[in-house]
Amino acid sequence: EAGVAQSPRYKIIEKRQSVAFWCNPISGHATLYWYQQILGQGPKLLIQFQNNGVVDDSQLPKDRFSAERLKGVDSTLKIQPAKLEDSAVYLCASSPYPSTSGGGNEQFFGPGTRLTVL
Amino acid sequence: AQKITQTQPGMFVQEKEAVTLDCTYDTSDQSYGLFWYKQPSSGEMIFLIYQGSYDEQNATEGRYSLNFQKARKSANLVISASQLGDSAMYFCAMRERDNYGQNFVFGPGTRLSVLP
Repeated sequence: EAGVAQSPRYKIIEKRQSVAFWCNPISGHATLYWYQQILGQGPKLLIQFQNNGVVDDSQLPKDRFSAERLKGVDSTLKIQPAKLEDSAVYLCASSPYPSTSGGGNEQFFGPGTRLTVL
Repeated sequence: AQKITQTQPGMFVQEKEAVTLDCTYDTSDQSYGLFWYKQPSSGEMIFLIYQGSYDEQNATEGRYSLNFQKARKSANLVISASQLGDSAMYFCAMRERDNYGQNFVFGPGTRLSVLP
């Protein structure tokens, strides 16, 4: 089974530029998450999709961040314009929740995109 | 208030010894899940172990076990027979239900260094 795919793996931009990240979750996973992980901290949830609908975007800085999951499969996260404090690793994860088989509904993470804003 | 607390920023353990990484959590939910993830220097998050709030037995997965003390709201990870490859960041996380459905919250992490 293929894992969660993300691209690009690394991105360097200057402040005020725009950037977009792409994520393809594990096939059949209903829920997709975008996290921001600043160096030395735990991941912070930015947005959660269930199929193609937004479940929780309460921590997404909506003045500059946007995300979509058209057709309920892959997703893009965009930052426009970027600030220095946006330098972080952006992690995408997927989960089979809601699951009919019970279990932990753990999240499966992609390799992340490391963003550096200069 | 912090939902997940990991009080040990860094831990050292000798190879082949056991180590316990602490995690306490805060929730008013009766149904929740607790997870541990490992993050090596390469950056990927690797799922290690899961404990459900209604599980009576402590979870075990190979060399990993979770010491779940519900009344104390703690979910410590025990790694037995540490290996050099266990050196990494370890994150405790909780899944609880909120107004939006299901929410995952991560702790700040503990950096484990295994010494030869």
